[in-house]
Amino acid sequence: EADIYQTPRYLVIGTGKKITLECSQTMGHDKMYWYQQDPGMELHLIHYSYGVNSTEKGDLSSESTVSRIRTEHFPLTLESARPSHTSQYLCASGPPGQGWEGYTFGSGTRLTVV
Amino acid sequence: AQSVTQPDIHITVSEGASLELRCNYSYGATPYLFWYVQSPGQGLQLLLKYFSGDTLVQGIKGFEAEFKRSQSSFNLRKPSVHWSDAAEYFCAGLRNNDMRFGAGTRLTVKP
Repeated sequence: EADIYQTPRYLVIGTGKKITLECSQTMGHDKMYWYQQDPGMELHLIHYSYGVNSTEKGDLSSESTVSRIRTEHFPLTLESARPSHTSQYLCASGPPGQGWEGYTFGSGTRLTVV
Repeated sequence: AQSVTQPDIHITVSEGASLELRCNYSYGATPYLFWYVQSPGQGLQLLLKYFSGDTLVQGIKGFEAEFKRSQSSFNLRKPSVHWSDAAEYFCAGLRNNDMRFGAGTRLTVKP
């Protein structure tokens, strides 16, 4: 079944640690996105990619980095986690074109930095 | 600037009652419009979308939404709410590959 997977679902980690949030999709979508979600706030785009070896920063300034070496895989890395990084991170993907089909979202990773 | 606004942070309705969640958009031209639902601990699931044509669109789970250009609105409705509809609902607009989300409306369903 075509889907988008995020791991881990929950992560508690100490300040200063390096972490990678995984996102994989089996739909062959070219476009992939990372959003940060905080309670009562709109989703904020932090990174996006329109294909292999293509990555861009979104509206929200983020200390994270991403890579897109394979179409299906779009991991997000924090080199040195801080408590301000505590949030929910949502990965999404979309088919080619203008986007009228909407995005497919993963279940999210809830990150807590202590 | 392009934006989507959901005026209601939290709405409570009784099971079986009708529901309307409000969404307003501010774009230079009509964007693609979407409603997503998010259950606790889950990602967003697409309920319905509007691109063009018929202004009343049907979605999954018995939801519908009406596009009103004159009011820059895209309100979500359901005739009879079920307890399982309790969730967070997000309106979104997309133009030029830029998807903007509202802050969400949390729906509580009373027995």
